Amino acid sequence: GNSVTQMEGPVTLSEEAFLTINCTYTATGYPSLFWYVQYPGEGLQLLLKATKADDKGSNKGFEATYRKETTSFHLEKGSVQVSDSAVYFCALSDLRAAGNKLTFGGGTRVLVKP
Amino acid sequence: GAGVSQTPSNKVTEKGKYVELRCDPISGHTALYWYRQSLGQGPEFLIYFQGTGAADDSGLPNDRFFAVRPEGSVSTLKIQRTERGDSAMYLCASSLTPGHQETQYFGPGTRLLVL
Repeated sequence: GNSVTQMEGPVTLSEEAFLTINCTYTATGYPSLFWYVQYPGEGLQLLLKATKADDKGSNKGFEATYRKETTSFHLEKGSVQVSDSAVYFCALSDLRAAGNKLTFGGGTRVLVKP
Repeated sequence: GAGVSQTPSNKVTEKGKYVELRCDPISGHTALYWYRQSLGQGPEFLIYFQGTGAADDSGLPNDRFFAVRPEGSVSTLKIQRTERGDSAMYLCASSLTPGHQETQYFGPGTRLLVL
């Protein structure tokens, strides 16, 4: 079956530090890949996505590249801000499944200190 | 425009009781999804509707769980004979179409606590 593994948190950084959150996946076929973010007290929001190999998704200074050869979709940001403190979820959708049900990783909590 | 809304935001019930959780998707979205998120974990798929019909209910844990979407808009997740293990955040999401590249928009969730 499909699965997503992401690094456990919490990840604690200082403002302006470089952030990487590792995400690897197992899937039958070629899924679409997503990063969702959950800010404190808010619902899940899509951060970025990539739908085929070598695609790069980007938004709000975050980037992730769909790497089929390593089955990875690592999230990066060059200079984090306090406002980036949140829980980040990597997810995939199965091309061969009906609809677009998402399989999520366990989430990585990021805390950025001023 | 209005996003996905869920009611109630919190629900406390006793073991053995029946509960209903409601989801109002974004207007015009044909696909609707229910997920369950336990504390400290990622959301897990429960059921997916395309229009009025449940196209995939493979994530429902057992027959105590049931969901409907009678008019292709609002959906209700129903849990019978609740157990303490049902305590979790229940999330609803909708997308314009069910395509696998489509963005799902999530509601704020209903936090269910079974005492």
